Amino acid sequence: EIVLTQSPGTLSLSPGERATLSCRASQSVSSSYLAWYQQKPGQAPRLLIYGASNRATGIPDRFSGSGSGTDFTLTISRLEPEDFAVYFCQQYGDSPAWTFGQGTKVEIK
Amino acid sequence: QLRLLESGPGLVKPSETLSLRCTVSGGSISSSTYYWGWIRQPPGQGLEWIGSIHYSGSTYYSPSLKSRVTISVDTSKNQFSLKVSSVTAADTGVYYCARLIMTGYNRLDVWGKGTTVTVSS
Repeated sequence: EIVLTQSPGTLSLSPGERATLSCRASQSVSSSYLAWYQQKPGQAPRLLIYGASNRATGIPDRFSGSGSGTDFTLTISRLEPEDFAVYFCQQYGDSPAWTFGQGTKVEIK
Repeated sequence: QLRLLESGPGLVKPSETLSLRCTVSGGSISSSTYYWGWIRQPPGQGLEWIGSIHYSGSTYYSPSLKSRVTISVDTSKNQFSLKVSSVTAADTGVYYCARLIMTGYNRLDVWGKGTTVTVSS
């Protein structure tokens, strides 16, 4: 089973700052199968990035993804007030087929 | 615009069976491109994939839940369903249904709003 570990657990930043979120896999993950989601309180997750670096439909270009192998990064170039939320990485692979990281909370400093 | 809507009892007694339904609107569930899945989120915790189904009936489940989970599809109603047997308090949480793209860049691209299930006597 591939385990995804996200860091930090909480990121305290101000609007306008840059956010860098990490997702590390316990073994190599295909970049095609690495995605990122945003979740706000009381809402369902929303797909942000798929294939490690492709923005989903309607996602602003301040969101970008990168990485390969076991290390992946989600970057928010300039935080907007609506970006304060929890972010999950997810991979698809051998059983169990879909696994998620535990999440990184981006909070207002 | 594709929409998914979960429905079912919000309260289930321990040892009983949790049953939920996901209704798909704005698109057909009978597309070879997609799978349809269930994901849950215990209170204050992360996301856990439960299982997925193709309109053809092909299923696959999380190994940790496989012995208690059944997912089925009703193409005539554009719905798919989840059953979890012998529930305990650990099965409490928000249950989401989602559309799974499985064509290379695998991802969950459309989610329902979720429904809260509490297991309690």
